[in-house]
Amino acid sequence: EIVMTQSPATLSVSPGERATLSCRASQSVRSNLAWYQQKPGQAPRLLIYGTSTRATGIPARFSGSGSGTEFTLTISSLQSEDFAVYYCQQYNHWPPLTFGGGTKVEIK
Amino acid sequence: QVQLVESGGGVVQPGRSLRLSCAASGFTFSSYAMHWVRQVPGKGLEWVSVISFDGRDKYFADSVKGRFTISRDTSKNTLYLQMNSLTAEDTAVYYCARDPGIAVTGIADYWGQGTLVTVSS
Repeated sequence: EIVMTQSPATLSVSPGERATLSCRASQSVRSNLAWYQQKPGQAPRLLIYGTSTRATGIPARFSGSGSGTEFTLTISSLQSEDFAVYYCQQYNHWPPLTFGGGTKVEIK
Repeated sequence: QVQLVESGGGVVQPGRSLRLSCAASGFTFSSYAMHWVRQVPGKGLEWVSVISFDGRDKYFADSVKGRFTISRDTSKNTLYLQMNSLTAEDTAVYYCARDPGIAVTGIADYWGQGTLVTVSS
């Protein structure tokens, strides 16, 4: 099973600032990496798949990069609606599909 | 628009069974693989199971293998998760989610709002 590790667990950012979230895989997942956003009381929402392809309707301020075992989600200028928990997920080696433990982006 | 609506959650005693349903609309249900993902309240996401578009291929997390089954009814546009021999560790919000491929890609592009399953005596 591939273990996904996200850091930091919590990221405090001021509105308008850039946020950089990290995700590490225990072995290479090539580019088969997705990011999800989850707000309190809501279901997760797909943000990015294939490491860097934004899902339908996702604003350009969200970008993904990386390959192999190291991945990054960048939010270029945080908006109020972006404060949430973000999960990475690998889909290269499955079953099982595996998620990281999440990074909470909170208002500084 | 794509809609997924889960139902069937509730409080159940350890060792008992429960069947979850996920009603799909807004897309051609028979053309997409479907997932179940669960989340203990306040914790992270755990993938549970996936079924291919035609129901032939099914995969499970080790934590539920042999106890849970996944199925789909194309005539009703509904996905199911039959959960047997439930334990407290199965307590979670259960989400159904669509896979964007006919063949399973492993991505979940649309999610339902979830249904809470609580296993408690």
